[in-house]
Amino acid sequence: GQQVMQIPQYQHVQEGEDFTTYCNSSTTLSNIQWYKQRPGGHPVFLIQLVKSGEVKKQKRLTFQFGEAKKNSSLHITATQTTDVGTYFCAGPQTGANNLFFGTGTRLTVIP
Amino acid sequence: NAGVMQNPRHLVRRRGQEARLRCSPMKGHSHVYWYRQLPEEGLKFMVYLQKENIIDESGMPKERFSAEFPKEGPSILRIQQVVRGDSAAYFCASSPLNSDLDEQFFGPGTRLTVL
Repeated sequence: GQQVMQIPQYQHVQEGEDFTTYCNSSTTLSNIQWYKQRPGGHPVFLIQLVKSGEVKKQKRLTFQFGEAKKNSSLHITATQTTDVGTYFCAGPQTGANNLFFGTGTRLTVIP
Repeated sequence: NAGVMQNPRHLVRRRGQEARLRCSPMKGHSHVYWYRQLPEEGLKFMVYLQKENIIDESGMPKERFSAEFPKEGPSILRIQQVVRGDSAAYFCASSPLNSDLDEQFFGPGTRLTVL
């Protein structure tokens, strides 16, 4: 079945360090979305990538969609304590009408 | 424009009782999705509904779980005869159109605890 894996599962960084999470799908995706969930909160949409090789930036966050549209990455430059949370990638489930979420990467930022 | 609303935010039930979770989508959104998140895990799709129609329930357990989205009123996820394993956060999301290009807007979730 379809799988979307994210690595690492957990990441602890010192404030100011960079952080990257990687998302790998077992199937080609028409698009990929990224969500952030703060501890005790709900997922909040960050961005959507559609084109092969697409790169988008939001302030300190850089999102990339692989050429084969099967992988993606999120890079945060100079992390801050407000970046704490779990980052999920999600893509359309094959042959269905819903999003298939990745396993998530939980980021802890040490002040 | 109010966001997706869910209630209750926290629900405690004893084994064997029924749990009813409500979700009101964002104004103008006619597509509702329910997800379950077990502690320390990701979100698992359960069901996708439009008004008065269940479009995809491939993620719903075969027994005890049901969902509806009536013409009037919120979408309801019902869990009958709850068991401890049903303890989880249940999130509802809505979107204006069913297109895989659409972001989904999530509600605050209902945290269900089964004693």
